Amino acid sequence: QKEVEQNSGPLSVPEGAIASLNCTYSDRGSQSFFWYRQYSGKSPELIMSIYSNGDKEDGRFTAQLNKASQYVSLLIRDSQPSDSATYLCAVKVSGSARQLTFGSGTQLTVLP
Amino acid sequence: DVKVTQSSRYLVKRTGEKVFLECVQDMDHENMFWYRQDPGLGLRLIYFSYDVKMKEKGDIPEGYSVSREKKERFSLILESASTNQTSMYLCATADDADTQYFGPGTRLTVL
Repeated sequence: QKEVEQNSGPLSVPEGAIASLNCTYSDRGSQSFFWYRQYSGKSPELIMSIYSNGDKEDGRFTAQLNKASQYVSLLIRDSQPSDSATYLCAVKVSGSARQLTFGSGTQLTVLP
Repeated sequence: DVKVTQSSRYLVKRTGEKVFLECVQDMDHENMFWYRQDPGLGLRLIYFSYDVKMKEKGDIPEGYSVSREKKERFSLILESASTNQTSMYLCATADDADTQYFGPGTRLTVL
């Protein structure tokens, strides 16, 4: 079983809609969670980090963490075509120093 | 802003050649990482380093070695390049909050 799982997509949403990206993880002791965006041919860039249960908002992005259910999600409000990218979920697995375990990513397409 | 640079964006080498990929960071981070990324396989950790001259194997270290002689520089070495090492190579550093910052990547093609 993969430690961090994401639906690979592709996920398509119309411009202006809410895009919802989900990630589940297997290590109940995980403490740090990250969402990265990766445009085709580019390197991942950090969107948000979240460390405690609940919601964390940053502009059009909201990260949601539920440690009891072992999932973390990313909501993108008012989606724009420029949001079209692959979104990577990353988790710091307990006992792993500073290593992150990455999901395989969800490809999002925002249709104009 | 954290800046992570990699020596080349694109590299073409021949089978059997020794290949050096260099990564330099300017944020005094102790932890540095080398990943490769392939379609359908995601990011896979090759090696990481938590201090000068210290290194740990990641998930796929076979065929690779690393060097960290200075804190800001972390090198990935392919001792004898093979075609199955054609990939995107990404260097990253991590801050004290475990956030990783990536360099622009090197797309290596081995012919």
